[in-house]
Amino acid sequence: SQQGEEDPQALSIQEGENATMNCSYKTSINNLQWYRQNSGRGLVHLILIRSNEREKHSGRLRVTLDTSKKSSSLLITASRAADTASYFCATEKASNYQLIWGAGTKLIIKP
Amino acid sequence: KAGVTQTPRYLIKTRGQQVTLSCSPISGHRSVSWYQQTPGQGLQFLFEYFSETQRNKGNFPGRFSGRQFSNSRSEMNVSTLELGDSALYLCASSLKQDSPLHFGNGTRLTVT
Repeated sequence: SQQGEEDPQALSIQEGENATMNCSYKTSINNLQWYRQNSGRGLVHLILIRSNEREKHSGRLRVTLDTSKKSSSLLITASRAADTASYFCATEKASNYQLIWGAGTKLIIKP
Repeated sequence: KAGVTQTPRYLIKTRGQQVTLSCSPISGHRSVSWYQQTPGQGLQFLFEYFSETQRNKGNFPGRFSGRQFSNSRSEMNVSTLELGDSALYLCASSLKQDSPLHFGNGTRLTVT
C-alpha cells in the first residue's frame, strides 16, 4: 500500500482562487516532493522540501511540512486555468531512499 | 539539455506477446526508475537502476524486468502480456538520491 495519501481526491475552484492540497505519510522521511501531471503526460517536479525544512516557496507555490504530524500541504495562490492538472506527493523513505507516491489530487480550475 | 526520452510513445500488443520499452535519461543522470500508471492503481513503482545495477524493486511479477546500460539508457521488458498490463509506463531519471525525478512523457501500452 502507498505511504502517501493526498486529500482531497478532487478539487474544483474558480480561476483566481487559492487551492490547497494535503499529503500525509507514515514513516520517517528524507524529503517530500510535489509533482504535477497534465493529462496523459509525464510528471513535472514542482518542489522538494527536506525533513529539516518547514516551508518552501516557488513562485505561486507554497509548501509546508510538519514532521510531527507527518503531513504536508501544497498551496497554489491566484490559480489559473493552466494549473488544471493532477498533483502528486512523493516521500523519500529515510530507511531505504525509496519514493512512495500518493494517489494524487485532481485539480480543476474553472475559468 | 535534452529531457528524458521514452520510445515508443504508443504501443498496441496482443495478449501473450512481449514488449520492450526504452528510456534515455538526462545526460549525467545515473539513476533511472520505471513506473506503471493506471486509473485504478495510480502510480506504481516497478524498479530503479543505478550504474547498471537494480537498486530497488517494486511488487511486480517476474514478467516485468529491466536493465540499464553503461550509458545509463534503460529498457524494461514485459513478457507474456496480460490485458491488465495496459497502462502508461513512465521512466524518470535523477542525479542522485535526495534529488528530484525528471520524467519522460511515457509509453502508452494497450494490450488487446
